[in-house]
Amino acid sequence: KAGVTQTPRYLIKTRGQQVTLSCSPISGHRSVSWYQQTPGQGLQFLFEYFSETQRNKGNFPGRFSGRQFSNSRSEMNVSTLELGDSALYLCASSYTPQAEEAFFGQGTRLTVV
Amino acid sequence: SQQGEEDPQALSIQEGENATMNCSYKTSINNLQWYRQNSGRGLVHLILIRSNEREKHSGRLRVTLDTSKKSSSLLITASRAADTASYFCATDTMDSNYQLIWGAGTKLIIKP
Repeated sequence: KAGVTQTPRYLIKTRGQQVTLSCSPISGHRSVSWYQQTPGQGLQFLFEYFSETQRNKGNFPGRFSGRQFSNSRSEMNVSTLELGDSALYLCASSYTPQAEEAFFGQGTRLTVV
Repeated sequence: SQQGEEDPQALSIQEGENATMNCSYKTSINNLQWYRQNSGRGLVHLILIRSNEREKHSGRLRVTLDTSKKSSSLLITASRAADTASYFCATDTMDSNYQLIWGAGTKLIIKP
């Protein structure tokens, strides 16, 4: 069974640009969560999707958005990038939001210059 | 906001020794989980302990939970170089709609 796949693995963008990150969950998993990880702030929850609906949203500005498709794949978009958006973005999938184990992808390392 | 806080922030021990990490949280929980993250990579689930459990074992891992003190500990026995990683606790509550809330992590270094 393939694991959670995040693309791209690395990305360098310029301030003001926008970026789209992709996450393909494990087959059969319908819940996808996104996290931002930085050395100073640790893991910060961005949002969670289940069956194409956003269930939870973290405390991030509106520049951060996401969506989930009917095949459970998810994308997150960050518009008007700022230097502070440089981080490792992690995606996790599970069967349901209440599942007892989340499976993480390797992450996308975003650097904003 | 962060629910859990790990202690210590960093820990360096000799291979073969035991490593203990602690996690404290603020509100009543449903479950508490521990994850491991190797440098700059994704997290791997280690063990889950429910709020009505006090202790759980998995191989060289032992987790305890004290709901009266709102704290948990992760013990890794007979440490190996491959255990070098960051360890995070995560809690979920009904109030948070089962969203996982994470601690800041403990960076563990095993010296050969």
